[in-house]
Amino acid sequence: DVKVTQSSRYLVKRTGEKVFLECVQDMDHENMFWYRQDPGLGLRLIYFSYDVKMKEKGDIPEGYSVSREKKERFSLILESASTNQTSMYLCASTSGGMGHGYTFGSGTRLTVV
Amino acid sequence: DQQVKQNSPSLSVQEGRISILNCDYTNSMFDYFLWYKKYPAEGPTFLISISSIKDKNEDGRFTVFLNKSAKHLSLHIVPSQPGDSAVYFCAAPAYSGGGADGLTFGKGTHLIIQP
Repeated sequence: DVKVTQSSRYLVKRTGEKVFLECVQDMDHENMFWYRQDPGLGLRLIYFSYDVKMKEKGDIPEGYSVSREKKERFSLILESASTNQTSMYLCASTSGGMGHGYTFGSGTRLTVV
Repeated sequence: DQQVKQNSPSLSVQEGRISILNCDYTNSMFDYFLWYKKYPAEGPTFLISISSIKDKNEDGRFTVFLNKSAKHLSLHIVPSQPGDSAVYFCAAPAYSGGGADGLTFGKGTHLIIQP
């Protein structure tokens, strides 16, 4: 069964901390994505990656960076966490075809205090 | 500017009746549409999709209808069941070419199935 695993379900971090959110997929997918979900705003794309070491900005990249050193792993980095980055973070991957859409992880609920 | 719009934040339907969730889009270049279902504290799961060359796609209790001239699609769930209570997102590939550039999502509709 296809799987996207996010390492933490819940995280609490302090303002100014550097935060790493990890995502691993076991489907050999080329394309991986980071979204955040906020009430009333839906899912918004932060960054995505076509391949190892490749990265592209999404709609809301400010305050974030990403790393993709291996095909199966895509990390989201909050350089200096702020309270407005409190959110649900969702990782997804796809092979590129739209037949079955994206596969999402279970999400990481991040609270910045 | 939001390219995929779900104008109903919530919808309440009685168990056994039909649920109709609506979605409008502004970008005429969209050529594929998807619906996702999301339970609290879980990631979205793919439900059903439709290509712009079709006007209907059916999968069990779920049917998606596409009206390209109106830039409107709808998801029908018949009959509605308690497990259908969730947030439903409409989405389209951000650019043509298979969705490798990301999906654009609507804000979601919270469907509540009443017993």
